[in-house]
Amino acid sequence: AQTVTQSQPEMSVQEAETVTLSCTYDTSESDYYLFWYKQPPSRQMILVIRQEAYKQQNATENRFSVNFQKAAKSFSLKISDSQLGDAAMYFCAYRSARETSGSRLTFGEGTQLTVNP
Amino acid sequence: NAGVTQTPKFRILKIGQSMTLQCTQDMNHNYMYWYRQDPGMGLKLIYYSVGAGITDKGEVPNGYNVSRSTTEDFPLRLELAAPSQTSVYFCASSYSIGSLAPQHFGDGTRLSIL
Repeated sequence: AQTVTQSQPEMSVQEAETVTLSCTYDTSESDYYLFWYKQPPSRQMILVIRQEAYKQQNATENRFSVNFQKAAKSFSLKISDSQLGDAAMYFCAYRSARETSGSRLTFGEGTQLTVNP
Repeated sequence: NAGVTQTPKFRILKIGQSMTLQCTQDMNHNYMYWYRQDPGMGLKLIYYSVGAGITDKGEVPNGYNVSRSTTEDFPLRLELAAPSQTSVYFCASSYSIGSLAPQHFGDGTRLSIL
């Protein structure tokens, strides 16, 4: 079974600065997808960014980018020019590409990000 | 476009009571999921469905049941509520496998068992 580990329960960053959230995963599969979700206090789960394992190019969405290291099974999230609205719990998630997996997500434990003004 | 709708948003149950958490989606997604999120933790999969009439267990299925009679609806049933089932429950849906299609989440149901 796949596992996802987020080793930083809490992180903080100054407004306008850059912060990197770590995520590692364990899998024996070669084809899969990785996601970062954001959960603000409103409890909504909001997709931040996604990455296909067979693509070497790191995904980017505006101020959010990832550093995907397939050999190291690492998928970190970088937030540039941090804003107060970025404060939230961030979850890393893994999804197998196998048909029999049902596209189910395996989540890490989350990293609580605080943005200081 | 409503997306994934969960009802109720909050509920308090007594130990031993039963209830059904409702989930409906209007995106014609074939895959649907139920997760639970305990305080300060990540989401854990309870049950999922790949289409009407097909369901399967996730990581933490004990104490729960599901059914999928239509594409739109995926209710979660608690038969004998226990304090360990106090959690926030999320329903989600997605379009298909083999793509980057993300899961779309409902707003969650906060359930307390006293």
